[in-house]
Amino acid sequence: EDQVTQSPEALRLQEGESSSLNCSYTVSGLRGLFWYRQDPGKGPEFLFTLYSAGEEKEKERLKATLTKKESFLHITAPKPEDSATYLCAVQGPLYGQNFVFGPGTRLSVLP
Amino acid sequence: DAGVTQSPTHLIKTRGQQVTLRCSPKSGHDTVSWYQQALGQGPQFIFQYYEEEERQRGNFPDRFSGHQFPNYSSELNVNALWLGDSALYLCASSLASGGSEKLFFGSGTQLSVL
Repeated sequence: EDQVTQSPEALRLQEGESSSLNCSYTVSGLRGLFWYRQDPGKGPEFLFTLYSAGEEKEKERLKATLTKKESFLHITAPKPEDSATYLCAVQGPLYGQNFVFGPGTRLSVLP
Repeated sequence: DAGVTQSPTHLIKTRGQQVTLRCSPKSGHDTVSWYQQALGQGPQFIFQYYEEEERQRGNFPDRFSGHQFPNYSSELNVNALWLGDSALYLCASSLASGGSEKLFFGSGTQLSVL
């Protein structure tokens, strides 16, 4: 059974204090690993897709990396507007297979 | 370009009642998936519709059913509601033939069962 765990559960940072979020997964053949951002009361918003170990993607202050067992979301010099819940999801090997989401990391960036 | 739209945004029901939630996918998308998100948890997959048929189903009872219409919009029906069904229900759309299978989510319907 595909499983995704995320750590830490919650993270509080000062503005400008860089850190990383972790996503560990077990899946029988990874088709893709996805990172989403979710603001309170809203649906998840797509950030990145990673397909193979060693791949990296960047967007503004965010950088996602992937190994065979985990993914990291690095946040460099965060701002208060980066406060949100960050969700990780994996998709198994079959085309169109459903996503399995982790519980998320709640990030708070204080000014 | 309209994204994924869901209605209603909020709903309050009592135990034993039935509810219907609606979703219009992003323009050009043909696949609709439904997820349930309890407070403080990640989304849990309910089912997926493609070409008006249920293509996949998660670990949810038969009280949860759905439908997809020829225009690709979709409904989620839940019968015999109980307290544990209180959650944010998310609709996500995607393109079956797309090279990237990322999901686009709506803002969700917040269901409260009293």
